[in-house]
Amino acid sequence: GQSLEQPSEVTAVEGAIVQINCTYQTSGFYGLSWYQQHDGGAPTFLSYNALDGLEETGRFSSFLSRSDSYGYLLLQELQMKDSASYFCAVRDRSNDYKLSFGAGTTVTVRA
Amino acid sequence: DAGVTQSPTHLIKTRGQQVTLRCSPKSGHDTVSWYQQALGQGPQFIFQYYEEEERQRGNFPDRFSGHQFPNYSSELNVNALLLGDSALYLCASSFLDPGTDTQYFGPGTRLTVL
Repeated sequence: GQSLEQPSEVTAVEGAIVQINCTYQTSGFYGLSWYQQHDGGAPTFLSYNALDGLEETGRFSSFLSRSDSYGYLLLQELQMKDSASYFCAVRDRSNDYKLSFGAGTTVTVRA
Repeated sequence: DAGVTQSPTHLIKTRGQQVTLRCSPKSGHDTVSWYQQALGQGPQFIFQYYEEEERQRGNFPDRFSGHQFPNYSSELNVNALLLGDSALYLCASSFLDPGTDTQYFGPGTRLTVL
């Protein structure tokens, strides 16, 4: 099966940089995604990495190292509205490409 | 362009009852996936529908069943409700392409089983 590990909570101040790490175990890794979910809201897609390297989308960047089974989401210039839960999720060929989510990291941004 | 919509928003049922949740996908999307999200946890994949057929299924019992209609909308049915079925049920729509991981989630249905 698949397993994903990410920190449960991170707290930072406005303007800071936060890195959320995600380590995973799969039999046939296909891709790593990141989703943001505000309290009571729907998860929204942030980024997707299938190949090693860094993907940048505005203030958010995502990194993948397939050899290390590791990825991270980097949140820069933190704003209060970035307070939310962030989930990493993997697709696995051996699991018919089903999307498996981690337990999520709650990011709290303080003034 | 309407995004993914779900109904109802909230639902309260008692053990043993049956429930039907509904989802309309984002315009143009042909694939609907359902997830269960317990409090403080990540979404857990229930199943996926494409062309009115269940295409994939997660580790959920047969009490969980679904349907997709010709207009791509979908229903999730849960029979013989248990207390442990209390959760946020999310619907996500997409195109059928594992290489494109963008799924659009609806706001969810909060199910409480008493």
